Amino acid sequence: KNQVEQSPQSLIILEGKNCTLQCNYTVSPFSNLRWYKQDTGRGPVSLTIMTFSENTKSNGRYTATLDADTKQSSLHITASQLSDSASYICVVSGQGAAGNKLTFGGGTRVLVKP
Amino acid sequence: SAVISQKPSRDICQRGTSLTIQCQVDSQVTMMFWYRQQPGQSLTLIATANQGSEATYESGFVIDKFPISRPNLTFSTLTVSNMSPEDSSIYLCSVGTGGAYNEQFFGPGTRLTVL
Repeated sequence: KNQVEQSPQSLIILEGKNCTLQCNYTVSPFSNLRWYKQDTGRGPVSLTIMTFSENTKSNGRYTATLDADTKQSSLHITASQLSDSASYICVVSGQGAAGNKLTFGGGTRVLVKP
Repeated sequence: SAVISQKPSRDICQRGTSLTIQCQVDSQVTMMFWYRQQPGQSLTLIATANQGSEATYESGFVIDKFPISRPNLTFSTLTVSNMSPEDSSIYLCSVGTGGAYNEQFFGPGTRLTVL
């Protein structure tokens, strides 16, 4: 069964500090892995997308890594800001016709405190 | 990227009634999807909205409860029928853009509360 597991479920960090979110998946065959940011009451917004041949990708203060061998990904937030308070969702896409079927992780809820 | 709007943004409804949610995209897209996000949960795919034909529903979701229309490549509607408090969720429309990454973009969501 295709699954995406995220950890931790939630975390609190102080403004200016760094944090790393984890994602493990069992989706096969694998096409790509996405990280989305979802602000409260809003739709998810894409941060990064990586295929199996890409092992790191950055978007501003967000850096995602992917290890397709161990089926693990991480999202690193550098110098956190109050606006980083949101849920971060790891999503994996399969190949072919299944490419439109996304497997969603449960999300990590991040709260940045001043 | 695609710009997606949804109407209404939120609504409070009485049980037993129905609500139709509209999704409008600023460009023609092949794939449109409807998701549900229950409180504190991640997203669950309800169905794929097919242009000119019946929607393709995921396990646990049926057409009688969630009828979907897709009259053209920029517009779709989802109806939540005979609502109960368990239908209180955020309903999100998304579009698939194809390409190498087959990226999906999400609308802002419709927050539904059923009393």
